Amino acid sequence: DIQMTQSPSTLSGSVGDRVTITCRASQSINSWLAWYQQKPGRAPRLLIYVASSLESGVPSRFSGSGSGTEFTLTISSLQPDDFATYYCQQYSIYPWTFGQGTKVEVK
Amino acid sequence: QVQLVQSGAEVKKPGASVKVSCKASGYMFTDYTMHWVRQAPGQRLEWMGWINVGSGNTKYSQNFQGRVTITRDTSASTTFMELDSLTSEDKAVYYCARGRSGWQLDCWGQGTLVIVSS
Repeated sequence: DIQMTQSPSTLSGSVGDRVTITCRASQSINSWLAWYQQKPGRAPRLLIYVASSLESGVPSRFSGSGSGTEFTLTISSLQPDDFATYYCQQYSIYPWTFGQGTKVEVK
Repeated sequence: QVQLVQSGAEVKKPGASVKVSCKASGYMFTDYTMHWVRQAPGQRLEWMGWINVGSGNTKYSQNFQGRVTITRDTSASTTFMELDSLTSEDKAVYYCARGRSGWQLDCWGQGTLVIVSS
C-alpha cells in the first residue's frame, strides 16, 4: 500500500496566520491527491482535488500544490472556521490511502 | 441538494455481519460511483471499496480480505455495505461517499457507528 505521511501532526495557529501542511507519498502518485477537512463528529469535506483544484464552494484562502510524492495544503489566512483536522488522500493506486491527519488548533 | 443519508448505529457480536445503507438524493444516482470509507476511533480514514452504481461493478481493498461486499438498489437510490466476520477491530464510523468522474469524493454521508461487542 502507498503510505501517506503528513507533517506536522498538530499545528497551533492564530486567526490570520498563513499555515502550510505537507503530505508525502511513499511512491509517485502523479497529481492524484485530495485534501479533506474534518471537524469532530462530522464527515470529511472535500477541499482540493487533483492536487491543486479548488472544490466548488471552498473559500479561496485554501490552496494546494505539488506532484509526484510531495504535496502541500496552504491556508493563506486562518479563520475561526478552519480549526479542524485535515487529511490528504491518494487515489492513484489501489487501495486508496489517507494520511494520518493534521490537527489545526488554536494557539 | 445532493444528500447521502445513512442508516443508524449498529451493535453486533463478534463473528456477526453488519449491513449499512446509504440513500442518495438530489442527483442522478447512476451517474456516479459510491465509495465506503471507515474511521476507527482516533484513527485515520480507511478506504474500503467502491461500486459503479450504473453497472454494478465493484472494487474492494484487499486489506479487508474478502469480508466486504458493496451492492446497490437503483430503484431505491440506495447503496449497501456489508462487512462479515466482525471483530472488535471493526468498531468504527462507516461513511459512504460519492465519487465524481475524476474519482474525488465530493459528498459524504453522515456516518454510521458500528460497535462490535460480546
